Formats: sequence, structure tokens, C-alpha cells
Amino acid sequence: GAVVSQHPSRVICKSGTSVKIECRSLDFQATTMFWYRQFPKQSLMLMATSNEGSKATYEQGVEKDKFLINHASLTLSTLTVTSAHPEDSSFYICSARVHSLNTEAFFGQGTRLTVV
Amino acid sequence: GESVGLHLPTLSVQEGDNSIINCAYSNSASDYFIWYKQESGKGPQFIIDIRSNMDKRQGQRVTVLLNKTVKHLSLQIAATQPGDSAVYFCAENRDDKIIFGKGTRLHILP
Repeated sequence: GAVVSQHPSRVICKSGTSVKIECRSLDFQATTMFWYRQFPKQSLMLMATSNEGSKATYEQGVEKDKFLINHASLTLSTLTVTSAHPEDSSFYICSARVHSLNTEAFFGQGTRLTVV
Repeated sequence: GESVGLHLPTLSVQEGDNSIINCAYSNSASDYFIWYKQESGKGPQFIIDIRSNMDKRQGQRVTVLLNKTVKHLSLQIAATQPGDSAVYFCAENRDDKIIFGKGTRLHILP
């Protein structure tokens, strides 16, 4: 299957700083990319959907000014957690999709963010 | 509200037996479903998918069954192996987004 690469896999940052997570589709062009957050022993919660060249669509309850998403090309999307706090510590996962309708999405390896 | 959910949070199966993981959904407009496997510390891995115009689809050692009448989805894993230990999620394609259910942890007994 298609490969989605997410970087970094782990990051520790100080409270109040910002962290950028990259998501790349390595062998295909992604029409749409999704960002999820997963707390321990819970399911993946969709944070936002981004389409190349347009603004991301955020799910209810997700602060767009805190979680900045940029989808500048068909192979790269970034999530920046701004002014991170300990409660932002979580597992962040991206996925990419070629077409929007009824096709599978391919997932990155995830990024474990720890805010101290 | 409408959601995709699972009946059992944990399933223990003897190695070599078949596993059946169930999922209920409530959005009758959903027309595409996916099963994912997630190992500890990793992203979800695609297992199999099914569209609503089908009621059964088979892959290698896996079968997905869809019952639209009762809005039920199941994943069957044949001859369960230790490497099948993971959390399994059913997911629903809704409004061009993939929404995940709660997950079932599959535990393999030796």
C-alpha cells in the first residue's frame, strides 16, 4: 500500500513552546489529509481535515489558533501545536487520501508529544 | 448523536481459533466501512474495507460482514496468531471523513 511518513516520531517540549509535526505522502499525491489525536486507551479523534491549497476544516471543539494546519502541497501537511501545555500531550496521527469518496486512507506512524 | 461503536472492549481468543470482532453503527447513510489494526505506539493499519452494496468481503485470513438491516459490521480473523494481538477499530466514511469507533483489544491466549 501507499506510504505516509510522519516526523518526528517522538518529541518532548517545554510548556509554552510550539511544536511542528510533518506528514508526507511518499509515493502518491494526497488530495486530502486528516489529523487525529489519540489519548491512551482511547480511539482516534478527528481534529481537522485539510485539502491542498485551502484552509483546514476543524472539528467541533478543536481550536484552530492552537492547532495550525498547513497543506501547502499534495505531498505535505504540517500540524503546529502552538503554546503547548501538558494537557496537549498525546499521540498525534496523520492520514492521507487520494480521492475523497469511499477510498481508504493511509496512516502515518504517529507522533508522541510530551509537554513538560 | 450518531456514532460508530463496538460491543466488546476486550476479546481473548485461543491461538489457532477464529476471532470475531463486532461493530454497530447508527448512521444509516454510511456507505463505506473500514477495519483498521493498531499495534502499540503505531498508526492504524488498513485491514479490509467494504461498501454498502456488498454484504461480505474476504481477504487473506480476514472476512468482513455487513448487515445493513441491523447496522452491524463484523471482522472475522481465521486461525488467530500471536501477531494478531492489537486493537481493532471499525471506521466509517462520513461526509468524506473517516470516523473511528471505540476499538476492541484482541488478546491471544497461548
